[in-house]
Amino acid sequence: SQQGEEDPQALSIQEGENATMNCSYKTSINNLQWYRQNSGRGLVHLILIRSNEREKHSGRLRVTLDTSKKSSSLLITASRAADTASYFCATTDSWGKLQFGAGTQVVVTP
Amino acid sequence: EAGVTQFPSHSVIEKGQTVTLRCDPISGHDNLYWYRRVMGKEIKFLLHFVKESKQDESGMPNNRFLAERTGGTYSTLKVQPAELEDSGVYFCASSQEAGDTYNEQFFGPGTRLTVL
Repeated sequence: SQQGEEDPQALSIQEGENATMNCSYKTSINNLQWYRQNSGRGLVHLILIRSNEREKHSGRLRVTLDTSKKSSSLLITASRAADTASYFCATTDSWGKLQFGAGTQVVVTP
Repeated sequence: EAGVTQFPSHSVIEKGQTVTLRCDPISGHDNLYWYRRVMGKEIKFLLHFVKESKQDESGMPNNRFLAERTGGTYSTLKVQPAELEDSGVYFCASSQEAGDTYNEQFFGPGTRLTVL
């Protein structure tokens, strides 16, 4: 069974707008990570948030974590066409195995 | 420093044929992972090597899949015989450290496998 589930499944916005996507997970975690996959390319690690953190920023990215609700959100501010990609949240087990959600497909139009 | 590389980038084969995917991890990374994304679905774990040993192969779908990592360097994933449902993108990742406290896995570009 998948650990992380993202919503929405797809998101279409215009450049300059913000994009928000959510992720829910099922088990206790030590950290949660977000990845991006551009079409035809590999996964790129975006940000890691630890279970004792509530919010983290990296450039135009803002991640929140609510362990009581077992959920996380990723906000991309001032989106650009280059942000068009699939975004995945993932949790890890003790050996580092990543468990991904189905992902959110984000399309940013100029 | 070179990242994780995978070969081929794309493979188109017919049902029943054999395909071998290769992954070269970042030099010095003991941990190597294989994942797969079937069309439109989530990315699923296949297996994890620590050096040349299989630490976890719980995600391997069936015995048509065979993974090896001879000498603890590059890894191969063989599908024999391939079925239609094997189509998807196969990702390889490596990391220096395993464990839940910190784990950044560096992913390769993936191999897109199409089984006709």
